[in-house]
Amino acid sequence: RKEVEQDPGPFNVPEGATVAFNCTYSNSASQSFFWYRQDCRKEPKLLMSVYSSGNEDGRFTAQLNRASQYISLLIRDSKLSDSATYLCVVNKDSPTGGFKTIFGAGTRLFVKA
Amino acid sequence: DVKVTQSSRYLVKRTGEKVFLECVQDMDHENMFWYRQDPGLGLRLIYFSYDVKMKEKGDIPEGYSVSREKKERFSLILESASTNQTSMYLCASRRRQGYQETQYFGPGTRLLVL
Repeated sequence: RKEVEQDPGPFNVPEGATVAFNCTYSNSASQSFFWYRQDCRKEPKLLMSVYSSGNEDGRFTAQLNRASQYISLLIRDSKLSDSATYLCVVNKDSPTGGFKTIFGAGTRLFVKA
Repeated sequence: DVKVTQSSRYLVKRTGEKVFLECVQDMDHENMFWYRQDPGLGLRLIYFSYDVKMKEKGDIPEGYSVSREKKERFSLILESASTNQTSMYLCASRRRQGYQETQYFGPGTRLLVL
């Protein structure tokens, strides 16, 4: 079983739709959580961190459920420019100190006009 | 703006060749990473470095080595390239403030091993 699992999609949605992605992680000792965005043939870039209390950045809302070990990303009022792959990222303590970062395989989103 | 640069965007090498991939960051970050990205598998960590001359194996270190002689530079070495090392290689540098962190990625090197 992968340590971080995401539905690969693709999600095909019309402009203006609301879309939600989930991500599950297997290690209950995981410490911090993030969503990255990767455009086609580009490098990943941080979209937002995920806080225990949930957090919002414009049209994007991230939530963490530690009991069920999942993270979600909600995108409201989808734009064409939201088309990308969304990567779920989890940090956990490394045996030698510091954090070990684990990326999910990503969920592809296509927003259509 | 943080900048992470990689020495090549595209490389074609032959089986058995020694391959050097270089990564440079300009933000004085202590942590640097090498990943490979393959369809359906996402990013997988090859090696990382917490500081100069410090390195730690990631999830798939076999067939690779690394060098971190200076803080700004982290090199990935394929000692004897094989066709299953054909992939996109991404370097990243990390800024951390407590539990908050951002990884900044280079543009990637697409390596084809024939």
